[in-house]
Amino acid sequence: GAVVSQHPSWVICKSGTSVKIECRSLDFQATTMFWYRQFPKQSLMLMATSNEGSKATYEQGVEKDKFLINHASLTLSTLTVTSAHPEDSSFYICSAPGTLGYEQYFGPGTRLTVT
Amino acid sequence: TQLLEQSPQFLSIQEGENLTVYCNSSSVFSSLQWYRQEPGEGPVLLVTVVTGGEVKKLKRLTFQFGDARKDSSLHITAAQPGDTGLYLCAGAEGAQKLVFGQGTRLTINP
Repeated sequence: GAVVSQHPSWVICKSGTSVKIECRSLDFQATTMFWYRQFPKQSLMLMATSNEGSKATYEQGVEKDKFLINHASLTLSTLTVTSAHPEDSSFYICSAPGTLGYEQYFGPGTRLTVT
Repeated sequence: TQLLEQSPQFLSIQEGENLTVYCNSSSVFSSLQWYRQEPGEGPVLLVTVVTGGEVKKLKRLTFQFGDARKDSSLHITAAQPGDTGLYLCAGAEGAQKLVFGQGTRLTINP
């Protein structure tokens, strides 16, 4: 149980375009999901907390107008990178808390490359 | 924001040796998780420790949570090449939010 999927697994886009990444909890419901980004050889950095039915909470320094988060259902959160630039190229990972509340289950990640 | 200092950041040892990875903070966490991440994949949960002084074993891996719930360690006995990967500790901060350490990139040489 506690499987989280992401789509797409990788995407290449041109500078200035927008890209949407989906995060789904497959066998459980998640009122909260988290979005991280990870640069090569670095750890995960929390970008925002996605809340079902309400606005996302962004970490300090993360532009909410650039990284749009929508949590429309109990099993789906989406992250849209708007007007992407090469510096947005990164590995984006989502997670959802398990039933015990304190453990997190991560998706397989989405590799974004902006050319 | 609470910080987690993970050490060492890189470790390369021979197969069969033992190793310990440390995760330290000046703050108290309600729980602490250890993850392992392969290249191009998301982190996979290894263990969660909740109680101060708690010790959990997962085959050759032993996890310990400090008495004050500020630090944790991961000990691997008789390391194998299959143990190679990025090991991440993460402390639970508030309602489910995780703070990650810098990670330990472990390489086990045959």
